[in-house]
Amino acid sequence: EAGVTQSPTHLIKTRGQQATLRCSPISGHTSVYWYQQALGLGLQFLLWYDEGEERNRGNFPPRFSGRQFPNYSSELNVNALELEDSALYLCASSLEGSMNTEAFFGQGTRLTVV
Amino acid sequence: RKEVEQDPGPFNVPEGATVAFNCTYSNSASQSFFWYRQDCRKEPKLLMSVYSSGNEDGRFTAQLNRASQYISLLIRDSKLSDSATYLCVVNTGGFKTIFGAGTRLFVKA
Repeated sequence: EAGVTQSPTHLIKTRGQQATLRCSPISGHTSVYWYQQALGLGLQFLLWYDEGEERNRGNFPPRFSGRQFPNYSSELNVNALELEDSALYLCASSLEGSMNTEAFFGQGTRLTVV
Repeated sequence: RKEVEQDPGPFNVPEGATVAFNCTYSNSASQSFFWYRQDCRKEPKLLMSVYSSGNEDGRFTAQLNRASQYISLLIRDSKLSDSATYLCVVNTGGFKTIFGAGTRLFVKA
């Protein structure tokens, strides 16, 4: 069974551009979470989608947005990229929306803003 | 004060040593707790859940102290393969899951 898959694995953008990151959860998982892992800062919660709706978001500006599709895959969009947005973006999925169960992570998309 | 705090380390220990990590959390309403392991440039993976009664999985023991609002991870008989970053994860319910910044462990021969 395939795990959580993310694409692309690496993305290089220039400041001011937009980036789109994609995530496919494990089959049967309806909840998708996005995290940013910047160097030295640990995992910062970005967004939680469940059943196609945004359920919660972390302390990030509105230029970080996303959506979840009917097949439960998800996109993370980052507009007006800033240098500080350079980070590893991890997607996770879980069977239940409360994340009281194990979350499985994808291998991440490494975004570099130059 | 951060919602979840961990000592970033690094902890440098010889093989066979016992090492312990603590993680403090600020929200007394926190409901569930986990330890994740993240290898260098890899995604985090669940190591173990942390139960109120404490739990053990082989060389790993996790404890929860609700009164003092911390969880701990004890690794006995450290192996080279235990070298990784250990992430403390706290869930406050209604989905708010906070990851600590991680504690780096290096086990040396």
